[in-house]
Amino acid sequence: DIQMTQSPSSLSASVGDRVTITCRASQSVIGYLNWYQQKPGKAPKLLIYAASSLQSGVPSRFSGSGSGTDFTLTISSLQPEDFATYYCQQSFSSPRGTFGGGTKVEIK
Amino acid sequence: EVQLVESGGGLVQPGGSLRLSCTASGFTFSSYAMTWVRQAPGKGLNWVSAISGSGESLYYADSVKGRFTISRDKSKNTLYLQMNSLRAEDTAVYYCAKWGRNYGDPVDFWGQGTLVTVSS
Repeated sequence: DIQMTQSPSSLSASVGDRVTITCRASQSVIGYLNWYQQKPGKAPKLLIYAASSLQSGVPSRFSGSGSGTDFTLTISSLQPEDFATYYCQQSFSSPRGTFGGGTKVEIK
Repeated sequence: EVQLVESGGGLVQPGGSLRLSCTASGFTFSSYAMTWVRQAPGKGLNWVSAISGSGESLYYADSVKGRFTISRDKSKNTLYLQMNSLRAEDTAVYYCAKWGRNYGDPVDFWGQGTLVTVSS
């Protein structure tokens, strides 16, 4: 099975900061990498698919990059509503789709 | 509008069984692979099981293989997860979710989740 590793597991940031989260796959997933946002008590929400494509309705301050085994989610200017936990997921082996361990973005 | 509504969660004793249901609407159910993802309290997301649109191909995480069975009923637009021999470590919110249409597409819609608690 493909293992997904996210870093950091948590971070503290201020409104307006640029935030970067990384995700590494145990083998190449080409570009089949997705990012989700989850707020407490809510289901995950798709932000980015195919490594860099923005899901409809998601603000343009979110962006994704990478290919192969190394990927990045960037929030260009953190907003109050962005404090949440972020997960990467590979869909290379869909419909098996393993997730990273998550990155909790907290208010500094 | 796509909707996924889970039901069937609750409190069950270790070794017991439970069947989760997920009723789908707003899309052609039989055209999409479906999946169950769980989240233990305070923990991350874990993929549990998936089923192809036709229902012919089934997939399981090693942690549930032999104990859980995924199925779907096209006539009822419903996805199921039969969970047997439940353990304390199966305690989690279970989400039903829909894969995109094509290979490599993301999981693009999630239900609200149903809580399963395994405890004596």
